[in-house]
Amino acid sequence: EVQLVESGGDLVQPGRSLRLSCAASGFSFHDYAMHWVRQAPGKGLEWVSGISWNSYNIAYADSVRGRFTISRDNAKNALYLQINSLRPEDMGMYYCAKGSWNHPSDTFDMWGQGTMVTVSS
Amino acid sequence: QLVLTQSPSASASLGASVKLTCTLSSGHSSFDISWHQQQPEKGPRYLMKVNSDGSHIKGDGIPDRFSGSSSGPERYLTISSLQSEDEADYYCQTWGTGIQVFGGGTKLTVL
Repeated sequence: EVQLVESGGDLVQPGRSLRLSCAASGFSFHDYAMHWVRQAPGKGLEWVSGISWNSYNIAYADSVRGRFTISRDNAKNALYLQINSLRPEDMGMYYCAKGSWNHPSDTFDMWGQGTMVTVSS
Repeated sequence: QLVLTQSPSASASLGASVKLTCTLSSGHSSFDISWHQQQPEKGPRYLMKVNSDGSHIKGDGIPDRFSGSSSGPERYLTISSLQSEDEADYYCQTWGTGIQVFGGGTKLTVL
């Protein structure tokens, strides 16, 4: 069974850092691009970042570039998102999503259940 | 600028059909898109990819009641024989070099 399980969400103060993880199973993780997508409470989906199968191609939304860092460890079937200088507008559910092929410029064909990030002092 | 436009809401009766629309911004009418469903309090679920020629590729386990089509800059998701579990938010998505874009979503109410 193809599965994506996110973890690492927490209640954090503005300005602090957080690292999210996504554990993948049931498919050849190293063959596919991966993405992070977030959703503020009561709002729509917002793409955050994507990474190619070999980490050579990485892209970020303008709203997070410079503060967020995406990475992956193909040996561990894991995807990560390092979030620095957290802002109130970063609060929301963060989803891990599997790309449909090895480059980030294509659709997502599998989603995780999400991990919640709450930003509050 | 690559933008997807969706109506905020739609409604249809149990057992009926509904057609949701996603419109690509000017200059992007040849782009492929995907549809994703998000039921209340759940993560999104991939439904299908709709190509500019109107063909579509569905995700694993997606019922035949769901189909996609295309006309110019518009991409459609048609759901037939509506069931109560189809009540959800539906998002279209497209992509370019270094960018992914979602529409604002359509909230479907099954009456």
